[in-house]
Amino acid sequence: AQSVTQPDIHITVSEGASLELRCNYSYGATPYLFWYVQSPGQGLQLLLKYFSGDTLVQGIKGFEAEFKRSQSSFNLRKPSVHWSDAAEYFCAVENNAGNMLTFGGGTRLMVKP
Amino acid sequence: DARVTQTPRHKVTEMGQEVTMRCQPILGHNTVFWYRQTMMQGLELLAYFRNRAPLDDSGMPKDRFSAEMPDATLATLKIQPSEPRDSAVYFCASGLGQGYRYGYTFGSGTRLTVV
Repeated sequence: AQSVTQPDIHITVSEGASLELRCNYSYGATPYLFWYVQSPGQGLQLLLKYFSGDTLVQGIKGFEAEFKRSQSSFNLRKPSVHWSDAAEYFCAVENNAGNMLTFGGGTRLMVKP
Repeated sequence: DARVTQTPRHKVTEMGQEVTMRCQPILGHNTVFWYRQTMMQGLELLAYFRNRAPLDDSGMPKDRFSAEMPDATLATLKIQPSEPRDSAVYFCASGLGQGYRYGYTFGSGTRLTVV
């Protein structure tokens, strides 16, 4: 069975600082990986996805993520955080049949002025 | 931008009542998911449809929950009878084929409170 672990429940960074959110997955084959962001009271918005090719994936809002097969990781990064980035971030893995999208527990990001 | 529309946005109901949540997927999308989000369990997959056919509802409590797609523009999730432990935010998501191609678009959710 596939699974996703986001080790950090909460992270606080200062505005302008760099950000890295960790994600580890478990899946037997080549995974399809996603990062979603959820603002309070809203649904989930897709930031970026990976399914093949270049292991460094660019997304919206200045985010990027790197797929590292050897570490079973798909960490999300941003060089300079803005106050509007405060939200909850979810990593997800989809199986190859495309009928199961499994989410991690989420990481809540707070941004200090 | 195309959106997944969920109604109602909020629902408060008494234990034992029937609850129906509706989802209008993006026009042309053939894949629909229902998820439930709680603080304790996070995001749980309840049901999955492709081309209106239910392909997986193993995450759904069968005795009280049911999910249907009467047509391509409407997906419903019903709870009968509702219980306080069903209080959660229910999300619908739609996509075109598998997620790795285009990703999935989520609705804003229905916040259900059962008292």
